[in-house]
Amino acid sequence: SQTIHQWPATLVQPVGSPLSLECTVEGTSNPNLYWYRQAAGRGLQLLFYSVGIGQISSEVPQNLSASRPQDRQFILSSKKLLLSDSGFYLCAWSVLGGRSSPLHFGNGTRLTVT
Amino acid sequence: AQSVTQPDIHITVSEGASLELRCNYSYGATPYLFWYVQSPGQGLQLLLKYFSGDTLVQGIKGFEAEFKRSQSSFNLRKPSVHWSDAAEYFCAVALLAGGGNKLTFGTGTQLKVEL
Repeated sequence: SQTIHQWPATLVQPVGSPLSLECTVEGTSNPNLYWYRQAAGRGLQLLFYSVGIGQISSEVPQNLSASRPQDRQFILSSKKLLLSDSGFYLCAWSVLGGRSSPLHFGNGTRLTVT
Repeated sequence: AQSVTQPDIHITVSEGASLELRCNYSYGATPYLFWYVQSPGQGLQLLLKYFSGDTLVQGIKGFEAEFKRSQSSFNLRKPSVHWSDAAEYFCAVALLAGGGNKLTFGTGTQLKVEL
């Protein structure tokens, strides 16, 4: 069966420090991969998605970037964190294909920028 | 652009009572719709999905949802709520773009269950 791993689970970082969140998927090949952010009291905002190695689509201009160095690995990064980057970050995957393919989420990373 | 509205931010029901969570969508074509549930500090779990066929769809944990095109709604229901159903619920509509299945989520409904 397919599983998705995200780490770390929680992270406290000072303003101006770099960020690297990692997500890996097991049990499937060529997945679509996604990074969402969930701010307190708000819905989920799609940040990036990827349909293949090295292919990244950005949804919202911001202080973050994403990379997909391997088929089942998705990394969210920042060179210098801002206070506004605080939130709950969720990685997800779906089968490569149409709109009927649901997204499967990891357990998330709680990021607090101080 | 597609959008999803969940008009109820918080809902409180008694254990054993019935539940209906509202979801309205805006989408130009046939919508692909999903309901997810999120427990505190956790990721989202898929409850059910609709993309064609029977307008009443069954999901996990005893949930069901009915698609009503005339009302642009996809409300989630459960006949008898259990205390373990307390969580946040998200409705989402899918947009296929560049090969990726992009979900647009509502802002969620927080469900509290009174014992």
